[in-house]
Amino acid sequence: DAGVIQSPRHEVTEMGQEVTLRCKPISGHDYLFWYRQTMMRGLELLIYFNNNVPIDDSGMPEDRFSAKMPNASFSTLKIQPSEPRDSAVYFCASSLWGDPRARAYNEQFFGPGTRLTVL
Amino acid sequence: ELKVEQNPLFLSMQEGKNYTIYCNYSTTSDRLYWYRQDPGKSLESLFVLLSNGAVKQEGRLMASLDTKARLSTLHITAAVHDLSATYFCAVDGGAQKLVFGQGTRLTINP
Repeated sequence: DAGVIQSPRHEVTEMGQEVTLRCKPISGHDYLFWYRQTMMRGLELLIYFNNNVPIDDSGMPEDRFSAKMPNASFSTLKIQPSEPRDSAVYFCASSLWGDPRARAYNEQFFGPGTRLTVL
Repeated sequence: ELKVEQNPLFLSMQEGKNYTIYCNYSTTSDRLYWYRQDPGKSLESLFVLLSNGAVKQEGRLMASLDTKARLSTLHITAAVHDLSATYFCAVDGGAQKLVFGQGTRLTINP
């Protein structure tokens, strides 16, 4: 298994630019989560999907953030326009209800993260 | 709203010593997860605790869950430098969501 794949691993951009982060979940998983991690706020859940449908986007900080999941193997998180306070590490995670490989229902597997720096 | 609190948030200890990290949560849940994060890396699942009284051990780490007290502990025995990392607990918040604690940054000095 390749695990959760994220790209890019590092992104440096200037304020006002559009940023797109990408995630490929573990094949067969039906839940996908986007998290943001900063020193000040810790690990925050931004949005999550079930079977490609957004279930809860209450953690999305503002309208500048949007996320899509056009199919079961791909999701994007877009920030437009970006601001310096968006600098963080963004993680994607996936899970499968009843995955026999997981030690329990709901175990989330995390990708390597994208380190975003907005100048 | 489910809240998860860890303590301590920072822990510096010497090799060979024992210590415990605590994870308290505010509402009923019977599933709790412990993750490890090395600097600049992703989160790696360590333990899954599924019921009251559950105890899991791997190497020098042992995790336990008391659902009645809404408390989980991660005990480190005879610490070694390789265990230096940030440890997170996460509680099942329902609807497939996990609510994470703030993390405990553990530094083990020779």
